[in-house]
Amino acid sequence: GAGVSQTPSNKVTEKGKYVELRCDPISGHTALYWYRQSLGQGPEFLIYFQGTGAADDSGLPNDRFFAVRPEGSVSTLKIQRTERGDSAVYLCASSLGDREGDEQFFGPGTRLTVL
Amino acid sequence: AQSVSQHNHHVILSEAASLELGCNYSYGGTVNLFWYVQYPGQHLQLLLKYFSGDPLVKGIKGFEAEFIKSKFSFNLRKPSVQWSDTAEYFCAVNEGKLYTDKLIFGTGTRLQVFP
Repeated sequence: GAGVSQTPSNKVTEKGKYVELRCDPISGHTALYWYRQSLGQGPEFLIYFQGTGAADDSGLPNDRFFAVRPEGSVSTLKIQRTERGDSAVYLCASSLGDREGDEQFFGPGTRLTVL
Repeated sequence: AQSVSQHNHHVILSEAASLELGCNYSYGGTVNLFWYVQYPGQHLQLLLKYFSGDPLVKGIKGFEAEFIKSKFSFNLRKPSVQWSDTAEYFCAVNEGKLYTDKLIFGTGTRLQVFP
């Protein structure tokens, strides 16, 4: 009965470097979401997958951010040329994806620090 | 664009006091409404949700919320708080359409309950 898992739990990198953040959703959940939470703020939507395809990527801040979900399960959020402003907790959530208003189950997040 | 406002940023209560946390959203169409809670050191979890039907929704741990469509509000209530309710509370909304299930979150309310 594992929940959503995310790795790593913490990532420290230098400005300009490339990072990958991984999300393993609950088994059988077809919908997967990425959010970003900055200090003192609520989570902010980044991208949503239904199966393998990105159904809504309107929250990605710029083209340095990219996410994939090649087999419809695990997803990777990729950030190129990281900037200090990218520092935040990156949250992943999954849901059954077969009805409106499904509960989204959240993972523990990856805390990204860009020095 | 949709937005969610939580007017109480930090609430301090004694045990057994009553709680009401405000939440207002800006969206004229059909919405689903959620309250999520984040206990210290834990990940976000669903407290309750409104999808349709009875506007008074009961959730876990004695919490309830009332959807008032004319006021665009979904306030969270609990008649008697406990020390274990100390947490951050987030109100969220989505558009009530399949395949656009991204959640828009408020900035959160930090609740501290003292024995």
